[in-house]
Amino acid sequence: GAVVSQHPSRVICKSGTSVKIECRSLDFQATTMFWYRQFPKKSLMLMATSNEGSKATYEQGVEKDKFLINHASLTLSTLTVTSAHPEDSSFYICSALAGVYNEQFFGPGTRLTVL
Amino acid sequence: AQKITQTQPGMFVQEKEAVTLDCTYDTSDQSYGLFWYKQPSSGEMIFLIYQGSYDEQNATEGRYSLNFQKARKSANLVISASQLGDSAMYFCAMREMDTGFQKLVFGTGTRLLVSP
Repeated sequence: GAVVSQHPSRVICKSGTSVKIECRSLDFQATTMFWYRQFPKKSLMLMATSNEGSKATYEQGVEKDKFLINHASLTLSTLTVTSAHPEDSSFYICSALAGVYNEQFFGPGTRLTVL
Repeated sequence: AQKITQTQPGMFVQEKEAVTLDCTYDTSDQSYGLFWYKQPSSGEMIFLIYQGSYDEQNATEGRYSLNFQKARKSANLVISASQLGDSAMYFCAMREMDTGFQKLVFGTGTRLLVSP
């Protein structure tokens, strides 16, 4: 149980376009999901906490107008990178709370490359 | 101050040997949780083991055990009988009561390489 999927796994786009990444909890309901960003050979940096039916809570320094988060249902959260630029290229990974220890279960990640 | 410190950027171990990955943490909360995750080259984050701050016994999960020393604020991961498939990045993480016991803070990770 506690499977989280992400789509797409890899995306290449032109500078200035918007990219939407989906995060789904497949076998459980997730009122809370998290979005992280990971640079090569670096740790995970929490971007925002996504709450079903309410606004996301962004971490300090993360532009909410740049990284739009929508958690419209108990199984789906989306991250939209608006007007993407090369510096937005990164590995984006989502997670959801589940399990005996209320631990975070992670999706497989999305590698975004902005040309 | 860093919340989670992993001082070993890389570790090498031979197959079938045991290895310890270090993790120290900094918190003023009495209630907190410590996690270890494995990240293979594919990128997914795999939950390995959990230790609650009030747990008196060290957590164990198969070949993984957590050497929890509360007074020293350390939560080292011990992998016994290493396998080639254990080669990956390993992250220590903590969640605290004052952040609603949900958010995780990660360390910088340790890259483990298991050789035949």
